Amino acid sequence: DIQMTQSPSSLSASVGDRVTITCQASQDISNYLNWYQQKPGKAPKLLIYDASNLETGVPSRFSGSGSGTDFTFTISSLQPEDIATYYCQQYDNLLPHFGGGTKVEIK
Amino acid sequence: EVQLVESGGGLVQPGRSLRLSCAASGFTFDDYAMHWVRQAPGKGLEWVSGISWNSGSIGYADSVKGRFTISRDNAKNSLYLQMNSLRAEDTALYYCAKVSSGWFDPWGQGTLVTVSS
Repeated sequence: DIQMTQSPSSLSASVGDRVTITCQASQDISNYLNWYQQKPGKAPKLLIYDASNLETGVPSRFSGSGSGTDFTFTISSLQPEDIATYYCQQYDNLLPHFGGGTKVEIK
Repeated sequence: EVQLVESGGGLVQPGRSLRLSCAASGFTFDDYAMHWVRQAPGKGLEWVSGISWNSGSIGYADSVKGRFTISRDNAKNSLYLQMNSLRAEDTALYYCAKVSSGWFDPWGQGTLVTVSS
C-alpha cells in the first residue's frame, strides 16, 4: 500500500499569510494526488485534483503543485474562512489513502 | 444537484452487525465508483472500502477486510456497507462518496456508528 505523510499536523498563521502544507508519498504516484478541506462538523470538500487542478468554484488563493512523491498545497493569503483541516489523498486503483491532516488556525 | 444521503448508523454492541446505506441522486449512479470513508471522533479520514461502477472491482482497508462487505444496487441508486463483528475501534462517522477519476466528490453528510456495550 502507498502511504501518505502530511506535514505539519497543525499550524497557526495570521490573516494574509502564505500557508504551505506538504504531502509525501511512499512511492511514485505521478500526479494522482488530491486535496480536501474539512470545516468543523462538515463533510470534506474537494479543493484540488490531480495535484494542481482547482475544482470549480474554489477561490484562486488555493493552489497545488508537485508530482512523483512530493506535493505542496498553498493558501496564498490566509482568510478567516479558511480555518479548517486539510487532507491530501492519493488514489491507487481501488486503494486510496489519506494523509493525516493539517489543522489550520488563525494566530 | 448531486446528493448522497447515508443512513443506518446507530448504537450497536461489540460483535454485532449493522448495514449502512447511501442513497444517491442527481447523477448517473452506474457511471461511477463509490466509496466509504470513516472518521473516528477527533481523528482524521480513513478510507474503508470502494466498489467500481459494475461491482467488478472491490477493495477494502486492512482494518475491515473479512468483516465488512460493500455492495451496490444500480437499479436503486444505492450503495451499502454490511458491517459484521463490529469492534469499539469501528466507532466513527461513516461517509459515502462518489469517485471520479480518483477524487472523492461529493461526500454525504455521514452516518454515525457507535460500537459500545
